[in-house]
Amino acid sequence: AQSVTQLDSQVPVFEEAPVELRCNYSSSVSVYLFWYVQYPNQGLQLLLKYLSGSTLVKGINGFEAEFNKSQTSFHLRKPSVHISDTAEYFCAVSETGANNLFFGTGTRLTVIP
Amino acid sequence: NAGVTQTPKFQVLKTGQSMTLQCAQDMNHEYMSWYRQDPGMGLRLIHYSVGAGITDQGEVPNGYNVSRSTTEDFPLRLLSAAPSQTSVYFCASSYGGGSYEQYFGPGTRLTVT
Repeated sequence: AQSVTQLDSQVPVFEEAPVELRCNYSSSVSVYLFWYVQYPNQGLQLLLKYLSGSTLVKGINGFEAEFNKSQTSFHLRKPSVHISDTAEYFCAVSETGANNLFFGTGTRLTVIP
Repeated sequence: NAGVTQTPKFQVLKTGQSMTLQCAQDMNHEYMSWYRQDPGMGLRLIHYSVGAGITDQGEVPNGYNVSRSTTEDFPLRLLSAAPSQTSVYFCASSYGGGSYEQYFGPGTRLTVT
């Protein structure tokens, strides 16, 4: 079985500062990894995903994430955040060949003007 | 394309009442799923379907029923609502499970008193 840990429930950061949202997972098999974003009162939207190949994955809105197999991590980064990045971010994992996603508990990013 | 639609947006039920949350997608996706989102717990999978006529249980299926008679629709039934089912419910769909992006509906906020 898989599990996903997002260590930070809330991350405040000043506008134009860099940010890293941490995600660690556990699984006994190969996995696919995802980051989703949820803006207030909306559904979730895919930011980026890692399936295979290059461990550095670029997504929408200037976000990127790096897959580290030895540390079982998939941290999300952005070099300079904007007010519009204020949202909740979810890391998720899926076993290769399986159907279902398992989500972390989420990190609420608040960008301070 | 409307994407994934959910009705109603909000619902208040009394304990013991039954209701059906509707979900429809117009993207010809085979895979559909229902999640519930609770504060501090992320999203948890209730039920999913890999095609018309095929459904299966997720992490938290108790108290919920589903059916999939068409590719487009995937309703979620609460047979006898309980306060523990107060939550925000999201429907999602994708071309397949696993590696494919899931598209989420806007959610239904359910309160059981």
